[in-house]
Amino acid sequence: EPEVTQTPSHQVTQMGQEVILRCVPISNHLYFYWYRQILGQKVEFLVSFYNNEISEKSEIFDDQFSVERPDGSNFTLKIRSTKLEDSAMYFCASRFSQGGYQPQHFGDGTRLSIL
Amino acid sequence: SQKIEQNSEALNIQEGKTATLTCNYTNYSPAYLQWYRQDPGRGPVFLLLIRENEKEKRKERLKVTFDTTLKQSLFHITASQPADSATYLCALGTRGNNRLAFGKGNQVVVIP
Repeated sequence: EPEVTQTPSHQVTQMGQEVILRCVPISNHLYFYWYRQILGQKVEFLVSFYNNEISEKSEIFDDQFSVERPDGSNFTLKIRSTKLEDSAMYFCASRFSQGGYQPQHFGDGTRLSIL
Repeated sequence: SQKIEQNSEALNIQEGKTATLTCNYTNYSPAYLQWYRQDPGRGPVFLLLIRENEKEKRKERLKVTFDTTLKQSLFHITASQPADSATYLCALGTRGNNRLAFGKGNQVVVIP
């Protein structure tokens, strides 16, 4: 069964450094998402992306964050200058279409640890 | 403020019994609701989606109900097995935007 893949599985970075988290969504999906989950807390929405632009973002997704779909397969999340509180699991998700309320399918995440 | 509440206490259940989880929400008007399974260190795995105009959905041993008057969804695992042990997440989607809003999840432990 097709799946969302994320790399790396674990990223350790010094505070203030830039990180790029990578995702390959399911191939025929059109809507892409990033969520995060701080240890012991709920999954939180960051941003959604459709037709090469951001369609919605949360208050967490500030100027330090950006997303990109550099080619036909990858979807990336960049954090420009990481902070300690950015430590979390970051999940990428994709959905086929908006019509009919199709489910979002998630990858296994990247564990980001900021030192 | 908007809230999605799931029981914070783990549900311990004997193998073969039915596990029932609750998801209550306030100040939301969801167009649909999804249930996911999450294992430690893994991403959420989609299980079932139910729309606001549907009362019940089934998939194999899983059943979901959705009551928009009570603002509640129930998730049932019948004939539970140790492999069903995981955390189960409720997530709401609303018309007109893309985001899912998650509850904190409810852990299920199936005892052999």
